[in-house]
Amino acid sequence: QKEVEQDPGPLSVPEGAIVSLNCTYSNSAFQYFMWYRQYSRKGPELLMYTYSSGNKEDGRFTAQVDKSSKYISLFIRDSQPSDSATYLCAMILSGGYNKLIFGAGTRLAVHP
Amino acid sequence: DAGVTQSPTHLIKTRGQQVTLRCSPISGHKSVSWYQQVLGQGPQFIFQYYEKEERGRGNFPDRFSARQFPNYSSELNVNALLLGDSALYLCASSLAQQGGEKLFFGSGTQLSVL
Repeated sequence: QKEVEQDPGPLSVPEGAIVSLNCTYSNSAFQYFMWYRQYSRKGPELLMYTYSSGNKEDGRFTAQVDKSSKYISLFIRDSQPSDSATYLCAMILSGGYNKLIFGAGTRLAVHP
Repeated sequence: DAGVTQSPTHLIKTRGQQVTLRCSPISGHKSVSWYQQVLGQGPQFIFQYYEKEERGRGNFPDRFSARQFPNYSSELNVNALLLGDSALYLCASSLAQQGGEKLFFGSGTQLSVL
């Protein structure tokens, strides 16, 4: 079993839709949670960074962490064609060094 | 300010050859990490360096090595290349080494091994 599970998709939605992306994890020692966006042939771009359970909002993006269920989500409101990319969840264990554990990524396509 | 810069952007090698990839972190960042991303998968951790010392190593063979220079730039070396080493190699920088620091990635070096 992988430490971080993420549905690879692809996920296809119409412009303006609300998108929900999810990851589950098995290690309760994960303390820091991130979402990265990766366009084709580019490096991952940090979108959201959260530490505690609860919600964090930034513009059209909302990150949600439920540590009791070992479940994190990213919501995208009013999705745009420019949001078409692969979305990677990532997490770090408490203490130690900065080793990111990534999910496999979900491919999202937003069509006009 | 410039982000994380990596060179070269693309590289084609044959099996058995050696390759060196280079990375310059964001100005002020002292930690550099390397990740390997195979097509269709998330990045996998290879190394973290901080203040020129190796602080963490992932599950990769000894053919993979790295170093960090006094100006905090870094090189990743891979010897005796295998077909399976074909991947996007990503460099990430952070202010410090502690878990929980935000990591910022470069655009990567696409390595193809023939």
